[in-house]
Amino acid sequence: DAGVIQSPRHEVTEMGQEVTLRCKPISGHNSLFWYRQTMMRGLELLIYFNNNVPIDDSGMPEDRFSAKMPNASFSTLKIQPSEPRDSAVYFCASSFRTGGNMRANVLTFGAGSRLTVL
Amino acid sequence: TQLLEQSPQFLSIQEGENLTVYCNSSSVFSSLQWYRQEPGEGPVLLVTVVTGGEVKKLKRLTFQFGDARKDSSLHITAAQPGDTGLYLCAGLTGTASKLTFGTGTRLQVTL
Repeated sequence: DAGVIQSPRHEVTEMGQEVTLRCKPISGHNSLFWYRQTMMRGLELLIYFNNNVPIDDSGMPEDRFSAKMPNASFSTLKIQPSEPRDSAVYFCASSFRTGGNMRANVLTFGAGSRLTVL
Repeated sequence: TQLLEQSPQFLSIQEGENLTVYCNSSSVFSSLQWYRQEPGEGPVLLVTVVTGGEVKKLKRLTFQFGDARKDSSLHITAAQPGDTGLYLCAGLTGTASKLTFGTGTRLQVTL
């Protein structure tokens, strides 16, 4: 398996532009997570999906951020309009959740998308 | 919000030394995981501890989950340059799917 695939790996854009980050989870995984990592705030959960359905988006900073998962093999995180404070590394991770027992949940992370907003 | 504080934040040691990294919280977790992250990559899972007081060993790494399931430690024996990286603990509460990550410990091991 190629693992979790994210694109682009790097993006530099200007303030006000729309940014779309993409993620292909591991085949067979039924949970998908979007995290943001900065030096100041560490690794923060933005949103996660179970079986393509958004479960918890309480970590999404504001209305400028939106995430979709149209099918089991693809998800997007969109920022519109982007601002310099959105600069960070955005990670996608996937896992396989079995029933209600999450104690052994294991996340596999992608390599991340480094976003710089000028 | 459950906070996971890690200490120390930064650690620079020489090859062969031992070290311990701590992960503390006021919240109880049903399980706790440790990840290592290298530059330009995502975190990679090292271990999951589930039972209070549990100790797991992974070669030179020893992980312990506190009796009250609020804290954990990672001990590395005879550190090597390949151990260099960002170490992250992450706690899972109840049956929720969301992991809360710690503040991280950046380790550098030099020759």
